[in-house]
Amino acid sequence: DIQMTQSPSTLSASVGDRVNITCRASENIIRWLAWYQQKPGRAPKFLIHKASILESGVPSRFSGSGSGTEFTLTISSLQPDDFATYYCQHYNGYPYSFGQGTKLDI
Amino acid sequence: QVQLVEYGGGVVQPGKSLRLSCEASGFSFSLYGFHWVRQAPGKGLEWVANIWFDGTTKHYVDSVKGRFTISRDNSKQTVDLQMDSLRVEDTAVYYCARGMEDAFDIWGQGTTVIVSS
Repeated sequence: DIQMTQSPSTLSASVGDRVNITCRASENIIRWLAWYQQKPGRAPKFLIHKASILESGVPSRFSGSGSGTEFTLTISSLQPDDFATYYCQHYNGYPYSFGQGTKLDI
Repeated sequence: QVQLVEYGGGVVQPGKSLRLSCEASGFSFSLYGFHWVRQAPGKGLEWVANIWFDGTTKHYVDSVKGRFTISRDNSKQTVDLQMDSLRVEDTAVYYCARGMEDAFDIWGQGTTVIVSS
């Protein structure tokens, strides 16, 4: 099974900062990777698929990059609404799996 | 509007059964695969199961194989998760999600399952 590892687990930042969240896969997943944002008590929100394709309606300050085993979610200029937990997820064969999450706080 | 609504959560004793249902609206249900994803209290997300658009293929995470069964009814636009032989470690919020090239683009609000004696 493919294991997904995110770093860091917790990230403290300020409004206006540029932040990067890394996701590593235990084997090559090509670009079959998605990113989600989750706020407390809420369902996850779909942000990015195929490693870098932004879902419609997601602000352009979010971007994704990478291929193979290493991927990055970048938020170019943090806004107050961005403080949440972020998860990566591979979909390159079953079982699908998520990273453990990165909590982004102020 | 496009939405998924889950039903059926509750409190159940270990070893008992529970059936979750996910009702879809606002899109062509039969064109999409669907997934169940769960989140234990204070923990991360765990993919549980999926079913293809035509119901012919299903996959499960190892921890639920032989105990959980996913099914769909395209005429009712519903996806169900039958959960048998429940364990304490199955306690979680269960989300239904639509598969978009198997990323999960639409999520329900979740339904809570508590397995406790």
